[in-house]
Amino acid sequence: AQSVSQHNHHVILSEAASLELGCNYSYGGTVNLFWYVQYPGQHLQLLLKYFSGDPLVKGIKGFEAEFIKSKFSFNLRKPSVQWSDTAEYFCAVRSSGGSQGNLIFGKGTKLSVKP
Amino acid sequence: EAGVVQSPRYKIIEKKQPVAFWCNPISGHNTLYWYRQNLGQGPELLIRYENEEAVDDSQLPKDRFSAERLKGVDSTLKIQPAELGDSAVYLCASRGGGEKLFFGSGTQLSVL
Repeated sequence: AQSVSQHNHHVILSEAASLELGCNYSYGGTVNLFWYVQYPGQHLQLLLKYFSGDPLVKGIKGFEAEFIKSKFSFNLRKPSVQWSDTAEYFCAVRSSGGSQGNLIFGKGTKLSVKP
Repeated sequence: EAGVVQSPRYKIIEKKQPVAFWCNPISGHNTLYWYRQNLGQGPELLIRYENEEAVDDSQLPKDRFSAERLKGVDSTLKIQPAELGDSAVYLCASRGGGEKLFFGSGTQLSVL
């Protein structure tokens, strides 16, 4: 069965610090990878996604993520965080075969950015 | 464009009572998901619909949970009877032709 692991439960950074949130998945086949974000009081929304091609994908608000197939990883990065990035971030995986259509989420990483 | 609408936003019930959640997906979205999100956890899939057909309900606790999506549009998720461990946020999401899921604001259920 697919699973998604997010290494950090809670990350606290000061503004302008660099961010990297880890995500590893377990699935041997072809996958689609996603990062979703949930700002305080708001619903989940898509930050970025990877299907194929360039393993470095760019999303909204200056976020990017790199797919490293050999490491089964899809880490999220941002060079300089802002207070408004305070949110919970979820990595998610969707297999391209089998239970196609099911999006499996990690447990999430809460990011707190100090002004 | 209206997003995914869920109601109620909050629900407090006593254990053993029934409860129902309603979801109105984005117009034209054939795929509808119900997820449950426990405190401090990521969303966990309960059921996925393609139009009116439940194509994956393997994670739905069928002894007490049921769902329906009549006419392939709105959906309801029911719990009967509710247990203390059912306290969570119940999320509905829909997807059109692309890969992006659109989530509703969720229903926060508290079972006392």
